[in-house]
Amino acid sequence: KAGVTQTPRYLIKTRGQQVTLSCSPISGHRSVSWYQQTPGQGLQFLFEYFSETQRNKGNFPGRFSGRQFSNSRSEMNVSTLELGDSALYLCASRQVGPSSYEQYFGPGTRLTVT
Amino acid sequence: AQKVTQAQTEISVVEKEDVTLDCVYETRDTTYYLFWYKQPPSGELVFLIRRNSFDEQNEISGRYSWNFQKSTSSFNFTITASQVVDSAVYFCALSEAFRGNEKLTFGTGTRLTIIP
Repeated sequence: KAGVTQTPRYLIKTRGQQVTLSCSPISGHRSVSWYQQTPGQGLQFLFEYFSETQRNKGNFPGRFSGRQFSNSRSEMNVSTLELGDSALYLCASRQVGPSSYEQYFGPGTRLTVT
Repeated sequence: AQKVTQAQTEISVVEKEDVTLDCVYETRDTTYYLFWYKQPPSGELVFLIRRNSFDEQNEISGRYSWNFQKSTSSFNFTITASQVVDSAVYFCALSEAFRGNEKLTFGTGTRLTIIP
């Protein structure tokens, strides 16, 4: 099975712009979560989507949003970019069932805001 | 609130030595999952192990072993006979999965360097 894929891998944006990141989960995985990784704050949960619905959200401002499509692919959007949004954005997918399953991560999108 | 503490920021050992990475967690829930992930320089988080709160059996997988002790809220990870390829940042994480909340709370990570 192919792993989680994320596009683009690298991105440079200017303050004030907006950006959209994409994530394709492992086939059969219906849950997609997003995390932000920075040197200062570490790994922080952004949100989780399942069946095109946001199930959980972390403590991030409304500039961070996401969505999930019927094929489970997900996108996250950051509007009005700030310098502090520079980070590695990781997407993770997992199976959903009566038990809990581990999350498998993609290679990430490294966003640099200048 | 959940919290995961990895007190060791960086560890360096000579190849073939054993090394233990510490993880201490806090949660009010009686049902939860613990994880270890490896992050090599490429950036991708690689899943290593998942353990639920009802299973305190230690686990061994090749050179890797995990020691889960609920009494001390610890989930430590030992690499035996370390190799250069083990050099990476290792993260311990916690989720309160049984609430349908699959959010992972990560520790700050331990950077492990294996010296040839």
